[in-house]
Parts: sequence; C-alpha cells; structure tokens
Amino acid sequence: NAGVMQNPRHLVRRRGQEARLRCSPMKGHSHVYWYRQLPEEGLKFMVYLQKENIIDESGMPKERFSAEFPKEGPSILRIQQVVRGDSAAYFCASSPLGHSTGELFFGEGSRLTVL
Amino acid sequence: KNEVEQSPQNLTAQEGEFITINCSYSVGISALHWLQQHPGGGIVSLFMLSSGKKKHGRLIATINIQEKHSSLHITASHPRDSAVYICATGGSQGNLIFGKGTKLSVKP
Repeated sequence: NAGVMQNPRHLVRRRGQEARLRCSPMKGHSHVYWYRQLPEEGLKFMVYLQKENIIDESGMPKERFSAEFPKEGPSILRIQQVVRGDSAAYFCASSPLGHSTGELFFGEGSRLTVL
Repeated sequence: KNEVEQSPQNLTAQEGEFITINCSYSVGISALHWLQQHPGGGIVSLFMLSSGKKKHGRLIATINIQEKHSSLHITASHPRDSAVYICATGGSQGNLIFGKGTKLSVKP
C-alpha cells in the first residue's frame, strides 16, 4: 500500500507563473488536507477536502490559491501568479476518517521556490 | 481562537536520557496529534490522542483533557530521535492548529 504521494518534490517558478502541486492520498482515504510551512515557521492549515467537496478552506489565502479533489485523480493545489512570499513547503496529508478520529498520513512535501 | 504552545523550543540531550516535550492548548479539542519532522523535511504521525495515554516502542504520549495539556516522552533516547516534534490540535471542523515545534538533538 503506497503512502501519500506528492509531486513534484521540488518546483521552481518565476514570479507571475502558475504552480500546480499534486497529492495522491493513500488507497481508501477520502479525506485530504493541505498545509503550508513557510521558511523557519510552523505548519499552517490551508484546506480540507473530501472527494469532490471542499469541507474547510479557512486557511486558504483569498486570492490566487485554489484546491480541488476530483472524483478521479489526485488532489491539486493551484497557485496562480506566484509571488516570492509563496516560496514554502506544501504538505499534503490523508486520513480514512478525518483528523478528529483518524491518524494522519503525510506526504514528503512539495518545495516551491519562486524566483 | 485556540493557541498551541510547546516547550521547550530547543532541547539537547545525551544518548540514553529520558526526554519530555510539553504541549498546552487553550480551548477544548476533539483530538491531539504528535508529529515528527525529520531533518530532511518529511513528516511522520506518531500519535493521535483524545484521552489517556498511548505507547509505541520508546515513545509515550499522554493527555490531560481537564488541564489542556499533553506530553511526549522518549525513553532511552538515541541520536536517530533527533528531529523536530510538533504538537497539533483539532476541533470538530477540518483544520489543525500546530505548535511551533520542539527541536530535539540527541548527542552520542
């Protein structure tokens, strides 16, 4: 049973470009979470999704950021018109039951660098 | 708004020592998670607690709901335990709130 797979592991973008980060949850997991870790800072919640639904996006910046978890395929975190402040590690986690009742399984992270 | 505070921020120990990392939070929660972040950046879930105590190998996690406090203990510490340990709390909604982490360094 493969773990949570994130790709790309490293992504370099110039200011104004788009970044797409992918997360394939563990088999059988329908709950996906995205977190951001800025350099020298702690993890921050961004968004919680179940298949085809956004459950909680209270941690998402209001502009340029969007997330989806389609019926088929991985969850996608999309950042439009990237700025230097978007440089961070983006972690995805999945759970079979939701974080309040189930263990979280993390991917290795995607490290975005904006030049 | 829930605040999650960890102590100490940094901890250096000699191999074999017993280690305790503390986590306090300010509002009621449904679950508390202890995570380990390796020097390479990957994150591993160690425990999820809603009450009492859990043990896995040399790691023990406890939670006191009334006092809003949790501890992570490492017995017979080893240099491979060197990592950042992160406490995170969750309510009934989807988001987790994370502590800033405790950076542990175990010297041989």
